[in-house]
Amino acid sequence: AQTVTQSQPEMSVQEAETVTLSCTYDTSENNYYLFWYKQPPSRQMILVIRQEAYKQQNATENRFSVNFQKAAKSFSLKISDSQLGDTAMYFCALRIYGGSQGNLIFGKGTKLSVKP
Amino acid sequence: DAMVIQNPRYQVTQFGKPVTLSCSQTLNHNVMYWYQQKSSQAPKLLFHYYDKDFNNEADTPDNFQSRRPNTSFCFLDIRSPGLGDAAMYLCATSRDRPREQYFGPGTRLTVT
Repeated sequence: AQTVTQSQPEMSVQEAETVTLSCTYDTSENNYYLFWYKQPPSRQMILVIRQEAYKQQNATENRFSVNFQKAAKSFSLKISDSQLGDTAMYFCALRIYGGSQGNLIFGKGTKLSVKP
Repeated sequence: DAMVIQNPRYQVTQFGKPVTLSCSQTLNHNVMYWYQQKSSQAPKLLFHYYDKDFNNEADTPDNFQSRRPNTSFCFLDIRSPGLGDAAMYLCATSRDRPREQYFGPGTRLTVT
């Protein structure tokens, strides 16, 4: 069975500063995808960043980057130059490549508040 | 812009009265998903369609059904809503299963 753990239920950061959200996962599979999704209050879930497990290079999308440590099964998200619009619930998710199952395995989420 | 659309955004139904939520997509993705999300929780997958093939999660109650008449549309039917079914219902799509999923804005269901 696969699990995703986000150990920080809530975090806060000052505007323009950098924050790192933690995520660890467990799977016996070798081929999988990892994702970070953002869900602002009362708004839809948006994909922030994606990482293929076979790629050693960490994914980057503008101010968002990940630190993917496959051996340690760690997948943290770094947000640089935090903006007020980054306030949201952030979900880490795992998806095994192949098989007939459809589910993203979500962590319980980290509620991030960016303060002015 | 290609997108996932859910209607209505807010739905109020009475206890036991059947309700249907709809989802459409312009992404031409072959996989469509329905999730239930309760307050401050992660989304929980109810079922998904891979093309026309329906895949039900083992713990999805029989009260929840789904239809996918064509590639673009997918419906969630709740046959006899209970108070515990009040939640946000999210539709998502992907091109094949492992790929990232794109979510709609959700339908917030209230059961009175």
